[in-house]
Amino acid sequence: DSGVTQTPKHLITATGQRVTLRCSPRSGDLSVYWYQQSLDQGLQFLIQYYNGEERAKGNILERFSAQQFPDLHSELNLSSLELGDSALYFCASNLQGADGNTIYFGEGSWLTVV
Amino acid sequence: GQNIDQPTEMTATEGAIVQINCTYQTSGFNGLFWYQQHAGEAPTFLSYNVLDGLEEKGRFSSFLSRSKGYSYLLLKELQMKDSASYLCAVSLDSGTYKYIFGTGTRLKVLA
Repeated sequence: DSGVTQTPKHLITATGQRVTLRCSPRSGDLSVYWYQQSLDQGLQFLIQYYNGEERAKGNILERFSAQQFPDLHSELNLSSLELGDSALYFCASNLQGADGNTIYFGEGSWLTVV
Repeated sequence: GQNIDQPTEMTATEGAIVQINCTYQTSGFNGLFWYQQHAGEAPTFLSYNVLDGLEEKGRFSSFLSRSKGYSYLLLKELQMKDSASYLCAVSLDSGTYKYIFGTGTRLKVLA
């Protein structure tokens, strides 16, 4: 158990809909990362937050958005869903600085768009 | 752009040794990581190299050459449970701590 919690674990929704994925980082971690992993694809970096502020952006679509709240949990919002958005979405966290660079992954949220 | 290359698949026999290579070309470098990922599960941290050389951790070792943009993960005394994908990742810089992952190497361990 990495200490990173993601909900929901599984989600099935229709095209055009909107979903919200939630992530609670490890206790004390300030930074949250979101990754998308499609079938047989590598981990695609979407976005990173640090202590409530956006730090880095990857290949995140305009239909997707994220935020990190004062209690450090984060949400990834996916809207106008398409079949191609079906993937495993991972959240990861770490404490930058003295703890080193290792990031710890949650169990992921399986999104299926039908 | 950022580029991390790994072989797609490898096969080895139980009890053997296997080396998984990773080459990278990135705009910055603040460390290289190896993660293990079983199908449908979260990646789990295996090793971290930021300086050149070999880091050993039990049956797993990882090597880094920054000048060559090259790393490898060495797995000894292979077990069936080592069948998984092995992901190479680079931390781009100390400012953003942005991590870029390779597509992973799927390792099959045969009896």
